[in-house]
Amino acid sequence: ETGVTQTPRHLVMGMTNKKSLKCEQHLGHNAMYWYKQSAKKPLELMFVYSLEERVENNSVPSRFSPECPNSSHLFLHLHTLQPEDSALYLCASSQDGKAGTDTQYFGPGTRLTVL
Amino acid sequence: SQQGEEDPQALSIQEGENATMNCSYKTSINNLQWYRQNSGRGLVHLILIRSNEREKHSGRLRVTLDTSKKSSSLLITASRAADTASYFCATDPLGETSGSRLTFGEGTQLTVNP
Repeated sequence: ETGVTQTPRHLVMGMTNKKSLKCEQHLGHNAMYWYKQSAKKPLELMFVYSLEERVENNSVPSRFSPECPNSSHLFLHLHTLQPEDSALYLCASSQDGKAGTDTQYFGPGTRLTVL
Repeated sequence: SQQGEEDPQALSIQEGENATMNCSYKTSINNLQWYRQNSGRGLVHLILIRSNEREKHSGRLRVTLDTSKKSSSLLITASRAADTASYFCATDPLGETSGSRLTFGEGTQLTVNP
């Protein structure tokens, strides 16, 4: 138990559906992250939020829309996804220190399948 | 090619043996971190080594960092079946930014046979 929870753990959706992934951290951290993990590929950083402000968007298609209403919650809104978007989506949080020693705490992930 | 490349891609050993995994990277870093992932689950942070450190220990883990060669190694001593997992190195690039910007490698799949 890392203090970061994600729901749902599994999600199957059609290409025309709209769904949302939820992440919550109970660690008092200031930064939150979304990653995509596809088979046989390295973890890809998608979005970074620091103090509820988006500070990184790694050329992610607009069909992925993040939302960070407060420092404890992070959402990833999904719409009109493609089958190649099927992957494990991981949320993480970190203290957001400036000393270059920030470590990340990961949630268990949401396994997304797009039909 | 990408930051944080591990080798080997897969390693199979017997319980009690030591396991060594290597990581190479390309850019200047603040720190390098190692994470572990059990199948289909989230990553768990193992150890962080700063760019001005050369070696660090944590329990059965030993990490080295050679910034001149831009490489790191993770040694797990006296391995156990429960160490079976994927191991990833991640680099935090140099520069002051809000939040870390970790770049992960493809990982080493370690199998420890009982």
